[in-house]
Amino acid sequence: EAGVTQSPTHLIKTRGQQATLRCSPISGHTSVYWYQQALGLGLQFLLWYDEGEERNRGNFPPRFSGRQFPNYSSELNVNALELEDSALYLCASKSLYNEQFFGPGTRLTVL
Amino acid sequence: AQKITQTQPGMFVQEKEAVTLDCTYDTSDQSYGLFWYKQPSSGEMIFLIYQGSYDEQNATEGRYSLNFQKARKSANLVISASQLGDSAMYFCAMREPLNNAGNMLTFGGGTRLMVKP
Repeated sequence: EAGVTQSPTHLIKTRGQQATLRCSPISGHTSVYWYQQALGLGLQFLLWYDEGEERNRGNFPPRFSGRQFPNYSSELNVNALELEDSALYLCASKSLYNEQFFGPGTRLTVL
Repeated sequence: AQKITQTQPGMFVQEKEAVTLDCTYDTSDQSYGLFWYKQPSSGEMIFLIYQGSYDEQNATEGRYSLNFQKARKSANLVISASQLGDSAMYFCAMREPLNNAGNMLTFGGGTRLMVKP
């Protein structure tokens, strides 16, 4: 069974640009979570999608947004990039038993 | 107030010895779940072990066991017979019941474990 996949692995942008990150959950999982892990810090919850709907978001500004597609894959969009947006962005999908399985992450660098 | 506290920023352990990574949590809910994840330098978060608040037995998964002390609100991870490949960041996380927040996980700050040969 394939795990959670994320693309791209690395992304380099400049301040003010937009970034799009992609995530494909484990087959059969309908929930996708996005987390931000800034350098040296723990994970901060960003967004939760389930059945195509945004169910909850963490304490992040509106320039962080996303969507979930009918096949349950998801995109995270970050507009008007700022230097402090540089981080590892992790996507997770949730099993029936509530464990969250994570993808390898996208490392976003904002110059 | 932090919901998940990991007081050990870094730990050393000798190969083949056991090590305990501390985690305390704060919740007013009766139903919750506790998780441990391993994050190697590659960045991927690897699920290790889960303990439900109503589980009477401590969870075990191979060399990993969870020392769950509900009254003290602690959920320490014990790794037996440490291996060099255990060197990584370890995160404790909690899932609170489905409410407005959903089943999101709240993570602690992590502990960096270094296994010495």
